[in-house]
Amino acid sequence: DGGITQSPKYLFRKEGQNVTLSCEQNLNHDAMYWYRQDPGQGLRLIYYSQIVNDFQKGDIAEGYSVSREKKESFPLTVTSAQKNPTAFYLCASSIVPGGKTEAFFGQGTRLTVV
Amino acid sequence: EDQVTQSPEALRLQEGESSSLNCSYTVSGLRGLFWYRQDPGKGPEFLFTLYSAGEEKEKERLKATLTKKESFLHITAPKPEDSATYLCAVRTSYDKVIFGPGTSLSVIP
Repeated sequence: DGGITQSPKYLFRKEGQNVTLSCEQNLNHDAMYWYRQDPGQGLRLIYYSQIVNDFQKGDIAEGYSVSREKKESFPLTVTSAQKNPTAFYLCASSIVPGGKTEAFFGQGTRLTVV
Repeated sequence: EDQVTQSPEALRLQEGESSSLNCSYTVSGLRGLFWYRQDPGKGPEFLFTLYSAGEEKEKERLKATLTKKESFLHITAPKPEDSATYLCAVRTSYDKVIFGPGTSLSVIP
């Protein structure tokens, strides 16, 4: 079945530690996205990529980094510079970028700072 | 400032009790409005896309409608399995997608 796989489902980070969230898709989509979801707020865009080897900052990119070396993969690193990283992180993809078509989401990674 | 709001924040219905969820938006040019369903601890699942005022889409017990300032998600005779958070998202004229905070729906047997 085609879809988006995020791993791990749960992740715990110590203070000052960098962690990487994995996102893989087999939908052959060009565009991929990372969102952060906090209670009572809409999804907020962290980074997006429209094509391999290219990515753009979203609304809340500070403290995060990404890479897009393969079409299928778009990992997100939460660095120690992100002061409040506890949240639910969602990876998504779409056939074309810019919201022209609907997005397909992974099952999310819940990150907790311990 | 572009903004998407949803109301109510939470809704409890008895099984079979029809109701509507609202998504209001203030954006610079609507290019499309999306509805998603999100189950607890899961990623959102696409339901509908609406493009212009007057458009309607239906799927089982759900019907989405669009006006120039808001969209409604009507739920007819809901069942417990319809319990979820419903998100709307708006695509603006400069191709930015803005999500609302969602409405948490609980359908009680």
